[in-house]
Amino acid sequence: DAMVIQNPRYQVTQFGKPVTLSCSQTLNHNVMYWYQQKSSQAPKLLFHYYDKDFNNEADTPDNFQSRRPNTSFCFLDIRSPGLGDAAMYLCATSRILLAGAEQFFGPGTRLTVL
Amino acid sequence: DAKTTQPNSMESNEEEPVHLPCNHSTISGTDYIHWYRQLPSQGPEYVIHGLTSNVNNRMASLAIAEDRKSSTLILHRATLRDAAVYYCILRDMGGFNKFYFGSGTKLNVKP
Repeated sequence: DAMVIQNPRYQVTQFGKPVTLSCSQTLNHNVMYWYQQKSSQAPKLLFHYYDKDFNNEADTPDNFQSRRPNTSFCFLDIRSPGLGDAAMYLCATSRILLAGAEQFFGPGTRLTVL
Repeated sequence: DAKTTQPNSMESNEEEPVHLPCNHSTISGTDYIHWYRQLPSQGPEYVIHGLTSNVNNRMASLAIAEDRKSSTLILHRATLRDAAVYYCILRDMGGFNKFYFGSGTKLNVKP
């Protein structure tokens, strides 16, 4: 089945140690999104890619970066994780960027910062 | 983006219908109404969306008020697997497909 895959499902890192989370998709969708979801909160959009065009949300900290080397893969890099960055990180895709298109979410990566 | 208001939590009995309300009094004429749900330890999943007319699919029905200031997600027969947080999201059809989630409604289904 076509799907959105996130690896690893659980990631532990140390305070200040860079970490990379990965997302891959078999849907061949043009748009990929990264959301942050802290405990008992709703997902919060960090940024998205439309093809290779990157769009950062205004309130996303500089500590968060992203790469999309090809259509299928997208990475979330946290350059210096702080304790406040512990969260579930969700990757999603949609075929097009226009409103009304369904978003397909991966299962998420739960990040723990020690 | 127009704001949505949902009850924090609701409870239902298994095999009974559930009506999940969403208020969006500042909705514009070009806003789609989307519903997603998030089961425990999973990413959100699409449930249904609509613009003006009521919509039905295999998962649920969406009833949209005539003035579009509110909508109701209807699960016709709740099962234990429907226990989740349900999010009502508005998206401008002329804008980008970016989701700004509200707090959602946590649905508890009792056996």
